[in-house]
Amino acid sequence: SSELTQDPAVSVALGQTVRITCQGDSLRSYYASWYQQKPGQAPVLVIYGKNNRPSGIPDRFSGSSSGNTASLTITGAQAEDEADYYCNSRDSSGNLWVFGGGTELTVL
Amino acid sequence: QITLKESGPTLVKPTQTLTLTCTFSGFSLSTRGVGVGWIRQPPGKALEWLALIYWDDDKRYSPSLKSRLTITKDTSKNQVVLTMTNMDPVDTATYFCAHSAYSSSWPFDYWGQGTLVTVSS
Repeated sequence: SSELTQDPAVSVALGQTVRITCQGDSLRSYYASWYQQKPGQAPVLVIYGKNNRPSGIPDRFSGSSSGNTASLTITGAQAEDEADYYCNSRDSSGNLWVFGGGTELTVL
Repeated sequence: QITLKESGPTLVKPTQTLTLTCTFSGFSLSTRGVGVGWIRQPPGKALEWLALIYWDDDKRYSPSLKSRLTITKDTSKNQVVLTMTNMDPVDTATYFCAHSAYSSSWPFDYWGQGTLVTVSS
């Protein structure tokens, strides 16, 4: 079982804002990273650290954290944002890594 | 430009040992603060972290698979090798290798395309 918990599915209307969350005790100590994965493709890093976007990731993607919950926010969701999103962080020991179970985002 | 590519068998039989190679370019695994990890994804399921090797040869393994995994690096060849023993059909998955580097969260910032491994007799 995963130490990071995500909602299995979330939907958002085109152009609206959506927040995808990830819960886990280790998030009180470590930042989450967020990945977007489209069918048949490798995951793509979209957010890491406190709120950092790799080059090429649109600024509508942002990250935040509070207590044991990390969040990925997409402000003004686009059709191309429809994908699976995974959070990833250290485990409670800080020595290992763990992924959340993933959230399927549907853009309506 | 960082790139990674996984290679290995597409089909293995139950009880066999799987050996996967990650060949990378654009960085050196002898550079301080760099690591290469392996992550897998069964069809239709979530990502699962398997192992990571650091520049200093420190190795970390998923607790649930630790007894079956070995990760090694060949810095001169720019390769990382993952072996998994006693393969079972539940190990059928796409296996990814990914680059990681020191930051506030050690993200997996570059990924290979993945290689699908099927375990079947």
